[in-house]
Amino acid sequence: AQSVSQHNHHVILSEAASLELGCNYSYGGTVNLFWYVQYPGQHLQLLLKYFSGDPLVKGIKGFEAEFIKSKFSFNLRKPSVQWSDTAEYFCAVNAYDYKLSFGAGTTVTVRA
Amino acid sequence: DAGITQSPRYKITETGRQVTLMCHQTWSHSYMFWYRQDLGHGLRLIYYSAAADITDKGEVPDGYVVSRSKTENFPLTLESATRSQTSVYFCASSGHLEPGLEAFFGQGTRLTVV
Repeated sequence: AQSVSQHNHHVILSEAASLELGCNYSYGGTVNLFWYVQYPGQHLQLLLKYFSGDPLVKGIKGFEAEFIKSKFSFNLRKPSVQWSDTAEYFCAVNAYDYKLSFGAGTTVTVRA
Repeated sequence: DAGITQSPRYKITETGRQVTLMCHQTWSHSYMFWYRQDLGHGLRLIYYSAAADITDKGEVPDGYVVSRSKTENFPLTLESATRSQTSVYFCASSGHLEPGLEAFFGQGTRLTVV
């Protein structure tokens, strides 16, 4: 069964700083990878996804992620964060059995 | 309205009572999921379903029961609620036509067991 690890539990940044959140998964076969965001008091929304093609994927709100198959990683990046990016970020993976598994999440706090 | 809806949004119940959380989606998605979200644990999968009458246990199924008699509904029942089941519960769905089987989430149900 697949599992997902997120490296950071809580990240605190100032506005305009760059953000990178780590995500590793443990499954050797073909996977689909996702980053979801949860703003305070809201449900999960998709930021971006990778299922085939270019390993560098761009999502909404200036986020991007790079799939590195050899490292089993799918790290999320944003060059310059805003206060409104304060949220919880979840990496997720599904594979052969369509079950969607999540990491523990990373809380990102952006200080104005 | 199209989408995925959960009800109720908030629920307080007593220990030992049976509680059912409802989930309804209008996309005819094959796959549906129930997660619980707890601080420090992220989202943990309780049960999932590939189609009507097909369900599977996730990571934390104990104390929960699901059914899927119709494609669009996936209710989650706590047979005898315990305080450890106080949590926020999210339902999600995905379908074959969604690239990568992207999942869409409901608004969540905040359940408190007293």
